[in-house]
Amino acid sequence: DTGVSQNPRHKITKRGQNVTFRCDPISEHNRLYWYRQTLGQGPEFLTYFQNEAQLEKSRLLSDRFSAERPKGSFSTLEIQRTEQGDSAMYLCASSLMMQGEAFFGQGTRLTVV
Amino acid sequence: DQQVKQNSPSLSVQEGRISILNCDYTNSMFDYFLWYKKYPAEGPTFLISISSIKDKNEDGRFTVFLNKSAKHLSLHIVPSQPGDSAVYFCAAISGMDSSYKLIFGSGTRLLVRP
Repeated sequence: DTGVSQNPRHKITKRGQNVTFRCDPISEHNRLYWYRQTLGQGPEFLTYFQNEAQLEKSRLLSDRFSAERPKGSFSTLEIQRTEQGDSAMYLCASSLMMQGEAFFGQGTRLTVV
Repeated sequence: DQQVKQNSPSLSVQEGRISILNCDYTNSMFDYFLWYKKYPAEGPTFLISISSIKDKNEDGRFTVFLNKSAKHLSLHIVPSQPGDSAVYFCAAISGMDSSYKLIFGSGTRLLVRP
C-alpha cells in the first residue's frame, strides 16, 4: 500500500458540466476526509466518512456536491452543474479512528472554464 | 473567522541556519496540533505533531513548541536545507469534535537559500 491515491490529478471542465473524483485511502484506515484548497489558503474541511457512513458535512458543501463511500473503501466526490467558483484543489485524506494524523493524497486540481 | 492563523506568508533563510515558523490559534478547545509540508502540485505531507499536554516535541531536525497560555505554537527546523523549501501549514484538532477534522492556517512559504 503506497498511500492515499486520487484520480484524476487534473480535470478541466466547462461550466455546467458534472465531474466526479475518486479517492482510494490507505487500506486499514476507517476514516476518510475530503478537503478543498484554493490559492493562498489552507485546506478547508468538506466532509468525512467513518467506514461507509458520512458523519459530517461542512456548510461549504452545497447541494451540488455529493460524496459517497460504498462499502467503506474508496470514495467519490461528485460536483453537479460546476461553477467557476468550484475551481480548486480537492484533497482526500485518511486516518485511523481517534488518530489525529491524517494522510493526504496528491489531490485533484479542478479548473472550471 | 480564522481559528488558526499563520501571519507570515513567507520566510527566507540561509542554508544551515534555523527556520522558525509561527502559528497562533483562537479556539481554546484545540488540544492537538500538527504541521504539514506541501510541495507544489502535491498533497500535504504530515511532518510532526504535539498534544496539548506537552510543550515540546522533537523529531530529528524538526521541533514543535506549544505555548498554551499564549495560544501559540512554532516549528523550528535546524539546520535548514534547500529541500525544506515548501509551504508549511499549521493545523489543529479539537478533541471535543469527534470528527477529528483538521483546521488549517493559511500557510507559510519557506525558502531555504543555498
